[in-house]
Amino acid sequence: EVHLLESGGGFIQPGGSLKLSCAASGFTFSNYAMSWVRQAPGKGLEWVALTSGSGGSTYYADSVKGRFSISRDNSKNTLSLHMGSLGGEDSAVYYCAKVGGYGLDYYGLDVWGQGTTVTVSS
Amino acid sequence: DIQMTQSPSSVSASVGDSVTITCRASQGISSWLAWYQHKPGKAPKLLIYSASTLQSGVPSIFSGSGSETDFTLTISSLQPDDVATYYCQQTNTFPWTFGQGTKVEIK
Repeated sequence: EVHLLESGGGFIQPGGSLKLSCAASGFTFSNYAMSWVRQAPGKGLEWVALTSGSGGSTYYADSVKGRFSISRDNSKNTLSLHMGSLGGEDSAVYYCAKVGGYGLDYYGLDVWGQGTTVTVSS
Repeated sequence: DIQMTQSPSSVSASVGDSVTITCRASQGISSWLAWYQHKPGKAPKLLIYSASTLQSGVPSIFSGSGSETDFTLTISSLQPDDVATYYCQQTNTFPWTFGQGTKVEIK
């Protein structure tokens, strides 16, 4: 069974940094792009970042570009999100998701984790 | 960035009714459009991809159509378990973007 489990969320002060992790199982991790999506309290879904299967290509939302970094360790089936210069607008549930499709034909996010909550507050 | 606009923002319908949600892209995205169902406290679920392809395991009461800038998601016979917020997402161009969501409730 395909499974994604996020960890690393918690309380962090404004301006701080945090690293989220996502452990994947049940599929050949290196064959698929992976993504992070977040949902702030009372708001809709916001796509955050994507990394290709090899990790050689990465893409970001404008709201996090230059502050967040997505990476993966295919030897450990693990996806990471390094978040820096955090502000209140980054408070959200962060979901790890597997990208459906191959090559550059990504058709959507077909498997999601349960999410981990990040709260930025002083 | 491509803006995705959904309408309505909320809809209330009776059990058995047909419900249609529309999603408009600010520029053409071919058929690179996905629909998700999101229930509170749960992980979002992919329903439809490539505008009209039903994801494996998703009941056939859900259907999608459209191309380029105008898309629709239809729930043919609304059931209590379909109460959720539905989102469209374009995967044509980075950064990917979601619509603002449509909340579906039972009348």
